Amino acid sequence: ILNVEQSPQSLHVQEGDSTNFTCSFPSSNFYALHWYRWETAKSPEALFVMTLNGDEKKKGRISATLNTKEGYSYLYIKGSQPEDSATYLCAFPTNQAGTALIFGKGTTLSVSS
Amino acid sequence: NAGVTQTPKFRILKIGQSMTLQCTQDMNHNYMYWYRQDPGMGLKLIYYSVGAGITDKGEVPNGYNVSRSTTEDFPLRLELAAPSQTSVYFCASSYRGGLAVYEQFFGPGTRLTVL
Repeated sequence: ILNVEQSPQSLHVQEGDSTNFTCSFPSSNFYALHWYRWETAKSPEALFVMTLNGDEKKKGRISATLNTKEGYSYLYIKGSQPEDSATYLCAFPTNQAGTALIFGKGTTLSVSS
Repeated sequence: NAGVTQTPKFRILKIGQSMTLQCTQDMNHNYMYWYRQDPGMGLKLIYYSVGAGITDKGEVPNGYNVSRSTTEDFPLRLELAAPSQTSVYFCASSYRGGLAVYEQFFGPGTRLTVL
């Protein structure tokens, strides 16, 4: 059974702190790695889709790296703001078509002002 | 564009009742998906479709049926509702072209309670 693990489960930081989370996935048969941001009472929104080993993606203060050989991805948030409070999900497609995503349980970030 | 829309937003069913959750997307995406989200369990794929007339099972298909007669619509049918189907249901869609993998766009969700 394929498993996608995320750590930590939850995180509480102060405004201005930088933080990072980890997503671990099977290193064999890699197709892509997705990151989504999920705010309370809303639906998940895509942050990144990463496909190449060593890939780095950036959107504003959020960036992500990918290591397909060892099966992990890091999501970084620089200078956290209260609006960054959300659950961050990673997902791993189990087929090349990307139709069957296995989601991690997420890392819930809370940023205090 | 409205994106992915779902109806209803909330529903309470009695055990044994049937209902259809509606999902429509206006982005001309070929792929569509149904997920359920249970507390502490993350999103689980129920069914997906790669185009009109083609559907396939995901991780947790038991107790559900789907159809895809048009590109835009992907309804999810619960035939005999059970308390275990109490969950929040999300519909999503994505584009697929060649070998590229694209992000999924999610609807607002339907909160279903079976009593």
